[in-house]
Amino acid sequence: DQQVKQNSPSLSVQEGRISILNCDYTNSMFDYFLWYKKYPAEGPTFLISISSIKDKNEDGRFTVFLNKSAKHLSLHIVPSQPGDSAVYFCAASDAGNNRKLIWGLGTSLAVNP
Amino acid sequence: GAVVSQHPSWVICKSGTSVKIECRSLDFQATTMFWYRQFPKQSLMLMATSNEGSKATYEQGVEKDKFLINHASLTLSTLTVTSAHPEDSSFYICSATGTGNRDEQFFGPGTRLTVL
Repeated sequence: DQQVKQNSPSLSVQEGRISILNCDYTNSMFDYFLWYKKYPAEGPTFLISISSIKDKNEDGRFTVFLNKSAKHLSLHIVPSQPGDSAVYFCAASDAGNNRKLIWGLGTSLAVNP
Repeated sequence: GAVVSQHPSWVICKSGTSVKIECRSLDFQATTMFWYRQFPKQSLMLMATSNEGSKATYEQGVEKDKFLINHASLTLSTLTVTSAHPEDSSFYICSATGTGNRDEQFFGPGTRLTVL
């Protein structure tokens, strides 16, 4: 049972445009959400996170939006750059689970020049 | 930022041998370390969680006698794949959390294990 779902396995965007990556979750106990970026044969790199007490967090070109009622979060990248091409993983945790991250399956983003 | 290293980055071994993978936090003390494996085109699968000085907590379906984890210090955790078989071939990744934001995990670069 996938508690964190990234329903789009891939996304293709033109350079300079906005990339929107979506993530849905089922466990209402999740209170912290993270986005990681991963290149092939490398470990994931932390991008941005959001606590459940917020609905938006922004860091440069990256913004994460959280809609708790819909159990949905999204990562916006504006403007998209070719170097953003990677697999993006959404992850969630709850305070009572030893900080264990529950991961989505990832979305492969391709930013075309 | 926090840096986590893994060694080796890749290893090829014969079936039946044991392989040790090291995970080090280079510039912070890692109170908790996590070991993941990733199969091609799949998500990260958590294998076990280890806290310094205590026994690792294994996820359901992960054989603790096969995947030995030692977290002897605040900067080092090791994963030993014992009696490796071809089906153990995978990409193994460790991560660590410090004493700051404990929800944020810092990942190592991963170790590619190929068992012949």
